[in-house]
Amino acid sequence: DADVTQTPRNRITKTGKRIMLECSQTKGHDRMYWYRQDPGLGLRLIYYSFDVKDINKGEISDGYSVSRQAQAKFSLSLESAIPNQTALYFCATSGGTGGGPAETQYFGPGTRLLVL
Amino acid sequence: KNEVEQSPQNLTAQEGEFITINCSYSVGISALHWLQQHPGGGIVSLFMLSSGKKKHGRLIATINIQEKHSSLHITASHPRDSAVYICAAERGSNYKLTFGKGTLLTVNP
Repeated sequence: DADVTQTPRNRITKTGKRIMLECSQTKGHDRMYWYRQDPGLGLRLIYYSFDVKDINKGEISDGYSVSRQAQAKFSLSLESAIPNQTALYFCATSGGTGGGPAETQYFGPGTRLLVL
Repeated sequence: KNEVEQSPQNLTAQEGEFITINCSYSVGISALHWLQQHPGGGIVSLFMLSSGKKKHGRLIATINIQEKHSSLHITASHPRDSAVYICAAERGSNYKLTFGKGTLLTVNP
């Protein structure tokens, strides 16, 4: 089984709808991240969480919110979806280094979101 | 100017060729990451390095901290190496990554 899973894998929604993307991990990592990927722009950080009680905005958080329900679960919500939120969304985790200076990130398979 | 720049954007090679992808960054880093994104979209981490060189199979990553430059080399390239290769800079101790835009590598048989 995959260590980092995302649901749904594909989603089509309409402008103005609220949707939630979910991420679960079995790696026991404290740190979790949400990214979006757009053609020609690369990956950009939306939100990140260093533990259940610590949630931080990334570089493009406007229009998004998150919830860290447990160490293993980190959800991303689009409160009112708009077409320019059409993108590929990735969840990632890192940890297990005892707070070392750098950590490998492990990515989920991604969610393709289309907002009409 | 982006903090992390990759070159080339696109690279086409014949099977067996030696491949080099370059990454330059403009900020101080705690580590430089190389990732591979498969055609189906999945992303895997290849290397994380803060100095010197690392090797895994046919893949070699090097970094020059003074010049703020890293390279990813693929020896004896194979069509299955076709993917997007992404470098990312990890700054300070906050584990956040700043990504380059990626290099699309196509290896033809």
